[in-house]
Amino acid sequence: DGGITQSPKYLFRKEGQNVTLSCEQNLNHDAMYWYRQDPGQGLRLIYYSQIVNDFQKGDIAEGYSVSREKKESFPLTVTSAQKNPTAFYLCASSPRTGNNSPLHFGNGTRLTVT
Amino acid sequence: AQSVTQPDIHITVSEGASLELRCNYSYGATPYLFWYVQSPGQGLQLLLKYFSGDTLVQGIKGFEAEFKRSQSSFNLRKPSVHWSDAAEYFCAVDINAGNNRKLIWGLGTSLAVNP
Repeated sequence: DGGITQSPKYLFRKEGQNVTLSCEQNLNHDAMYWYRQDPGQGLRLIYYSQIVNDFQKGDIAEGYSVSREKKESFPLTVTSAQKNPTAFYLCASSPRTGNNSPLHFGNGTRLTVT
Repeated sequence: AQSVTQPDIHITVSEGASLELRCNYSYGATPYLFWYVQSPGQGLQLLLKYFSGDTLVQGIKGFEAEFKRSQSSFNLRKPSVHWSDAAEYFCAVDINAGNNRKLIWGLGTSLAVNP
C-alpha cells in the first residue's frame, strides 16, 4: 500500500541537541510538507518542497532545516536554535502544489525535548 | 487577512445523535475547501472536499458538508454519530496567495461521543 511513513513515532532528546525526523513517501508525490501541531494551535507549516532539491520556508521555519535530495524523502532537522521544540510533527505530501490536491499525512512523530 | 474559524473548540454528542461542525472562512473569492479528521496520536485523513459544482458534498464515513457562499461557511454534518467518530476535526481552505496557493487551517473542533 502507498503511504507516508514517519519515524520514529516517539523521540526524546536533551536540550541543545539537534534531532532529525524522518519522512518517506511511496506515493510518487512531487510536493511534501512539514507541519507542527501544538494543543489549541492547529497546524502550522514549517517547510514545504515542490520538487527535488528545492524547498521553501513556511510560517514557522526558524530553528528548523530540511533537505529534499530524493523525491521520496523529506527529513526535518530540529536544531538547538528552536526555542520550544517539544511538539507533534506531521509530514504530508500531495501530487503537486497549486492544483488543490488534498494532502496525505503520515502518522506523526511526537518529539519531547527536556 | 484570510482566516478560517471553527467556532466550537469542543463538542459532545450522544451516540446516534446528529452532528454539525461549523467552519467559516474569510477570503475574497471562493476557496477550495476541505475537512480532515484526526484520531488521537495519528495523522490527518481527508473526509471530503469542495472545489466547484454541487454545494453539498459527500465524504467518507457518512459525512457530508454544505458550502454556503453567502455565509462563507462549509459546515460538516453527520445524521447519526458513532462512538468511533470521536476525534479532532479540521477545516482547511486553499486560497490563491500571489504566485502560490496556500492552505489555511482552522484550529480544530474536538468531538466527544457519549455512549
